[in-house]
Amino acid sequence: GAGVSQSPRYKVAKRGQDVALRCDPISGHVSLFWYQQALGQGPEFLTYFQNEAQLDKSGLPSDRFFAERPEGSVSTLKIQRTQQEDSAVYLCASSAIAGRNNEQFFGPGTRLTVL
Amino acid sequence: QKEVEQNSGPLSVPEGAIASLNCTYSDRGSQSFFWYRQYSGKSPELIMSIYSNGDKEDGRFTAQLNKASQYVSLLIRDSQPSDSATYLCAVNMGGGYQKVTFGTGTKLQVIP
Repeated sequence: GAGVSQSPRYKVAKRGQDVALRCDPISGHVSLFWYQQALGQGPEFLTYFQNEAQLDKSGLPSDRFFAERPEGSVSTLKIQRTQQEDSAVYLCASSAIAGRNNEQFFGPGTRLTVL
Repeated sequence: QKEVEQNSGPLSVPEGAIASLNCTYSDRGSQSFFWYRQYSGKSPELIMSIYSNGDKEDGRFTAQLNKASQYVSLLIRDSQPSDSATYLCAVNMGGGYQKVTFGTGTKLQVIP
């Protein structure tokens, strides 16, 4: 398919476990974003990549959260020592250009439940 | 004050009516404005983008931007039950940077 893909779609983790969430952006898209969406809220920005460079990670809630995009394509969001408050939908979006007038296209999301 | 504000709704309109969704934003330097539709349990889907003052029409959708009033709206003409969803307003706050801030969304219910 031509859209953004994410895996897994659902993840259940026990508190304290580490998880890794994958995002495969639209081919050729320069920019990649991670968001966290709690129930009834809008997506909250986590981090942004332009190619392989992580230009903004100001939204990462703690040092347990780590993201990478080593080859400027696929990205992984890792959460260490998961806590119940990490339960949310994690959305990945990509856009074709680097610049202000960018349109972001979202993947289906990963629903993380921490027990 | 939230950076991007929307009435959470629900906004109920009868089928065939015009639905009007509103959004205000705090940063006068904002340059880019987007409307996303999100069905329950699904991810946001981009439906409109607008960058300059005035109206932009695309099918049944019209986005309106007033930078002086820091206000952006989305009109949906001839509303259909399939339009029932949460509509998210998203704003790029400017500064030559791609970060987009979302509102909490307005839930729209179109009553058959």
